[in-house]
Order: sequence, then structure tokens, then C-alpha cells
Amino acid sequence: QVQLQESGPGLVKPSETLSLTCTVSGGSISSSDYFWGWIRQPPGKGLEWIGSIYYTVNTYYNPSLLSRVTISMDTSKNQFSLKLTSVTAADTAVYYCTRGRGVYLDYWGQGTLVPVSS
Amino acid sequence: QSALTQPPSASGSPGQSVTISCTGTSRDVGGFNTVSWYQQHPGKAPKLMVYEVAKRPSGVPGRFSGSKSGNTASLTVSGLQPEDEADYYCSSYVGSNNFVFGTGTKVTVL
Repeated sequence: QVQLQESGPGLVKPSETLSLTCTVSGGSISSSDYFWGWIRQPPGKGLEWIGSIYYTVNTYYNPSLLSRVTISMDTSKNQFSLKLTSVTAADTAVYYCTRGRGVYLDYWGQGTLVPVSS
Repeated sequence: QSALTQPPSASGSPGQSVTISCTGTSRDVGGFNTVSWYQQHPGKAPKLMVYEVAKRPSGVPGRFSGSKSGNTASLTVSGLQPEDEADYYCSSYVGSNNFVFGTGTKVTVL
């Protein structure tokens, strides 16, 4: 059974960089069958696609976040990561890491709330 | 890319059916057979319920079904159960390895 677990600081200050890591167990992130993505959900609001990374290490980002986001992977640790720069209060959200297959997301982490506040 | 449009709420009594719509454009919902649906209970992560318009993952009850006509996709929950009360989100591929979600629908079991 595949499991994903987000980890990272519980609070980020405005203008700083938000960094999160997703640790995958029960499957290899190097598999060509899947891609790995980040989704976020502001409190009380809907889901927003952030971006994804494929086994080829190719990355694809939401155009609205393109200038601030980087997704990378560390196959030796079976982890992939998210960095979002120059954060503001609008970036406060629950951040989910996910596994994608084809054109859908079949496994999700439990999510981690990242408040942006001074 | 703009969020797909869903009704804010839908409701039905136990045993009844409820249908949720997801409206996009020819550049997303209408252009690809890639709509998926996710169920989210309060405080929990979303769960895949339907993918590629009408396919159900293993373990998802048969009372959940999906369809699409033109730029609008739909999720129907037949024989509503109390545990079906949740938020539901649609999603569509929009090209260039990008995806967009719907605005979300809160389903209430009366």
C-alpha cells in the first residue's frame, strides 16, 4: 500500500520560502508509471493544483505560481519536495502531496497546514 | 486556467440520487476525457472516486457514476448513504501536464 507523508515547518514568515518534503513508502518515485504532485487548499476553500514532477525529472507548474515554485525529487530518499518563494498570507493553506497516474491522482498524503504569519 | 464551475451545494434524502455538475470549456472538460472526481470529508484528504470520466477505482461503491456531455461532466450518487455527505471536487487535464479543479460542491444527506 502506497503512503505519502508531508513534512516541513509549521509556520512561515511573509516574504520567506515555504519548503515541504513528501516521503513516499510502499512504492518507488522512480517508476515511469506515475507522477508526483502538490495540491493546496486554503482554509475553507477549494483545491488548487500547484505542480508535478515526473520520473524523467521534468516538472510542470500552475501558470499562476510559475515564478515562485520549484518541485524536485531525491530518488535516494524516495522523496520529492516543494519550494514556494516570497510567500504571503494568501499562501496559507493545507498542502497535500499526491501520486498521479495518467490524468488523475490516486493517492494523497494527509496534508499539512502551513500558516504564513509574522 | 480558471476553476471549473460546480454548484455550491446539493442534497438528497437517504436512498435518493443526487447529481453534481462540473462545467468547463472546450479547452479542458470538453477537450479531453480526463475528468476525475474526488470526495473530501471534513479534515481529511480528498479521495479519488471516479477517473477518466466514468471509471471507478477498486473499492469505490457502484452507486458512484460519472458521465460527460460537451463541456459539462457529472457525478451521480445513487442510493445516498449518510457517509456520502462530503465535499466533492471535479478535476480536468488542461494540457501541458497541467490540471484544474472545480469549485467544489457540498453534498448534504437530509
